[in-house]
Amino acid sequence: ETGVTQSPTHLIKTRGQQVTLRCSSQSGHNTVSWYQQALGQGPQFIFQYYREEENGRGNFPPRFSGLQFPNYSSELNVNALELDDSALYLCASSLDQNYGYTFGSGTRLTVV
Amino acid sequence: GESVGLHLPTLSVQEGDNSIINCAYSNSASDYFIWYKQESGKGPQFIIDIRSNMDKRQGQRVTVLLNKTVKHLSLQIAATQPGDSAVYFCAEKVSGNTGKLIFGQGTTLQVKP
Repeated sequence: ETGVTQSPTHLIKTRGQQVTLRCSSQSGHNTVSWYQQALGQGPQFIFQYYREEENGRGNFPPRFSGLQFPNYSSELNVNALELDDSALYLCASSLDQNYGYTFGSGTRLTVV
Repeated sequence: GESVGLHLPTLSVQEGDNSIINCAYSNSASDYFIWYKQESGKGPQFIIDIRSNMDKRQGQRVTVLLNKTVKHLSLQIAATQPGDSAVYFCAEKVSGNTGKLIFGQGTTLQVKP
């Protein structure tokens, strides 16, 4: 059984650019959530996908968008990057929305 | 509003002692709580969870206690080891189907040899 894998592990982007982060869910997990974790803070919920549909969203602007594919892998897209978008982006998958979530190691995004 | 908070930012314990990490939550409608451990450079690692119809749950060396009356959650680690040093987060699941977890700020556990 494989865990949650994220790519890339580190990324540096310039303000105004766009970025795509990728996540492969744990085998058999049909639910994926994305979180943003600023340095020294707890993770903040961005959104969740269940069977390819977004079914929950946190307090993030529309320039944060996502996709979930038929194999349950997922992407997080961020447009018009701002300096404050610099953070660790975490993907978490779950067997079902009512069970515990397994997190990946994250993608460290730095916006300069 | 919804929030989950931890009582102490840093907890320092001697190796072999028991550790207790506390957490307060404000949403009485939440029905699922999880403790995560996060080591430097890694994602949060699931430790133990508890549903609101329970007040205690035990795992290997860990126990979670839930007091719904005062909206308090605690994580007890028995015989704390150097490998337990990390940041610990409690997370609260918002009721419904969004799957949203609300995390606290985290407590840093330092284990002294």
